[in-house]
Amino acid sequence: DIQMTQSPSSLSASVGDRVTITCRASQGISNYLAWYQQKPGKVPKLLIYAASTLQSGVPSRFSGSGSGTDFTLTISSLQPEDVATYYCQKYNSAPITFGQGTRLEIK
Amino acid sequence: EVQLVESGGGLVQPGRSLRLSCAASGFTFDDYAMHWVRQAPGKGLEWVSGISWNSGSIGYADSVKGRFTISRDNAKNSLYLQMNSLRAEDTALYYCAKAIGPTVTGWFDPWGQGTLVTVSS
Repeated sequence: DIQMTQSPSSLSASVGDRVTITCRASQGISNYLAWYQQKPGKVPKLLIYAASTLQSGVPSRFSGSGSGTDFTLTISSLQPEDVATYYCQKYNSAPITFGQGTRLEIK
Repeated sequence: EVQLVESGGGLVQPGRSLRLSCAASGFTFDDYAMHWVRQAPGKGLEWVSGISWNSGSIGYADSVKGRFTISRDNAKNSLYLQMNSLRAEDTALYYCAKAIGPTVTGWFDPWGQGTLVTVSS
């Protein structure tokens, strides 16, 4: 089975900072990758699919890139409401797999 | 508006069974695959199982294979998860999630609010 590994597991950044989260697949998955945001006590929310397509309604400060095995989620200017845990997900075939999550806090 | 409402969670003893349900509304249910995803307390997301629009394709995580059975009733706009031989490590919030198409591949949007399953003696 394909494993998804995120880094870092947690990070702390200041408002306005550029933040990058990395997700690596143990085998190539083309661009079959999504990113979700889960705020504390809330339901996961889709941010990006097909590695780089922004879901409707998601602020443009979020962006995704990558293909094959290496992917990134970037927040261009961190806002207080971005405090959350972020998960990558590979969905090209079963079993569908999530990364272990990256907890993002404000410094 | 798409709505997914899970039910059936609760406290159950190890080795016993529980059946979760997910009532869907606001979309044409039988056009879409559906999934169950769980989240243990303080932990990350774990895909449990998915089922295609016509139940023709089903997948399970290794951790539940042989113990859990996913099913759907398109006439009732409902998704189910029959959980047998429950273990303490099955304790989690179980989410129902809609796929973006008829097959089990694809991302999930939206997710329900979840139903809590606690396995303990």
